[in-house]
Amino acid sequence: EAQVTQNPRYLITVTGKKLTVTCSQNMNHEYMSWYRQDPGLGLRQIYYSMNVEVTDKGDVPEGYKVSRKEKRNFPLILESPSPNQTSLYFCASSEAGGQGYEQYFGPGTRLTVT
Amino acid sequence: DAKTTQPPSMDCAEGRAANLPCNHSTISGNEYVYWYRQIHSQGPQYIIHGLKNNETNEMASLIITEDRKSSTLILPHATLRDTAVYYCIVKKVGSNYKLTFGKGTLLTVNP
Repeated sequence: EAQVTQNPRYLITVTGKKLTVTCSQNMNHEYMSWYRQDPGLGLRQIYYSMNVEVTDKGDVPEGYKVSRKEKRNFPLILESPSPNQTSLYFCASSEAGGQGYEQYFGPGTRLTVT
Repeated sequence: DAKTTQPPSMDCAEGRAANLPCNHSTISGNEYVYWYRQIHSQGPQYIIHGLKNNETNEMASLIITEDRKSSTLILPHATLRDTAVYYCIVKKVGSNYKLTFGKGTLLTVNP
């Protein structure tokens, strides 16, 4: 089954404690992205990757890092989480190219930073 | 990407067709119209997309006006499980690594 998986699904942590949210897709997609969703602000892109070893900032990259060492994985790293990073996070993937390809989203990771 | 305008909320009776409008008057010739939906706090789900022709799949139909300045998503027989926020997104060809979500339309399907 084609899918994007995220782990963990729920996480409560404390300020400053480094964490990683993993994302994996099994569709051999070139593009992968991370979004965060906050009430009243909608979904905003954090980082994206257009292929292995190619990453770039989205609209709200501050406080986050990513890496793309393998095509299937795109982890999101919070080196020193702060309470303002409490949010619902989604990973997504898509084929590349000029066609109107859809994005596939993961189930979400709800992060609380105290 | 062109800006889109959607009503904030709509209601629909179960079993009836749900027609969700979207205005995208500044759309360019190389921009697609996409529809996604998000059922409470789940990951957004792709529904359908089109460039200028009407499109239909197993989930919905997309009607794009001839001047491409507006479109309508049609769910032919809405069920309670179709209650969700529906997002209309306009995006350039080749830029499918990023979606810009607006506020969308909250569709409530009532029994």
